[in-house]
Amino acid sequence: DAGVIQSPRHEVTEMGQEVTLRCKPISGHDYLFWYRQTMMRGLELLIYFNNNVPIDDSGMPEDRFSAKMPNASFSTLKIQPSEPRDSAVYFCASSYRGARGYTFGSGTRLTVV
Amino acid sequence: SQQGEEDPQALSIQEGENATMNCSYKTSINNLQWYRQNSGRGLVHLILIRSNEREKHSGRLRVTLDTSKKSSSLLITASRAADTASYFCATVYNQAGTALIFGKGTTLSVSS
Repeated sequence: DAGVIQSPRHEVTEMGQEVTLRCKPISGHDYLFWYRQTMMRGLELLIYFNNNVPIDDSGMPEDRFSAKMPNASFSTLKIQPSEPRDSAVYFCASSYRGARGYTFGSGTRLTVV
Repeated sequence: SQQGEEDPQALSIQEGENATMNCSYKTSINNLQWYRQNSGRGLVHLILIRSNEREKHSGRLRVTLDTSKKSSSLLITASRAADTASYFCATVYNQAGTALIFGKGTTLSVSS
């Protein structure tokens, strides 16, 4: 397996624009997690899915953030409209049967100017 | 908010020396995990220790867990320059035991 695949690796966008981050989890994993990493706040759990169903989105900072998982092999995190304070590295991770060891993607570094 | 807090925030050592990082957490746990993050990369799972275990080894890694003190330590023996990375402890954040919350990490620098 190629691991968890995220795209794009880097994204630079202007304030107010829509941003979509993509994630392909490891085949067979039933959990998918989105995290955001900044120097100030560390790694924050945004949302996670189990069998494509959102379970907990309490970490999503605002209504500007939304996430979907239309099938077992694909998830998106969308920010609309984007703001400079959204600048961070966004990680997707997947696991089998919950919190027993995650596999992380390489992340998407988002810069909003 | 963080469940686990690593200490120290940064650690610099020479190759061949041992590196010890500590993690304290707040609530009861089923297990505690350690991850490594190389610069510009995602986190990599290193080791999981269950709440009924006191010590676990994996290669040059040794993890201890003291549930009475709500603390864990990660020891890397005979460190190498390739061990330079940030190290995070993680604990389960919800009752269902399905999501992890991470500390802010210890940045380890190993010089040759």
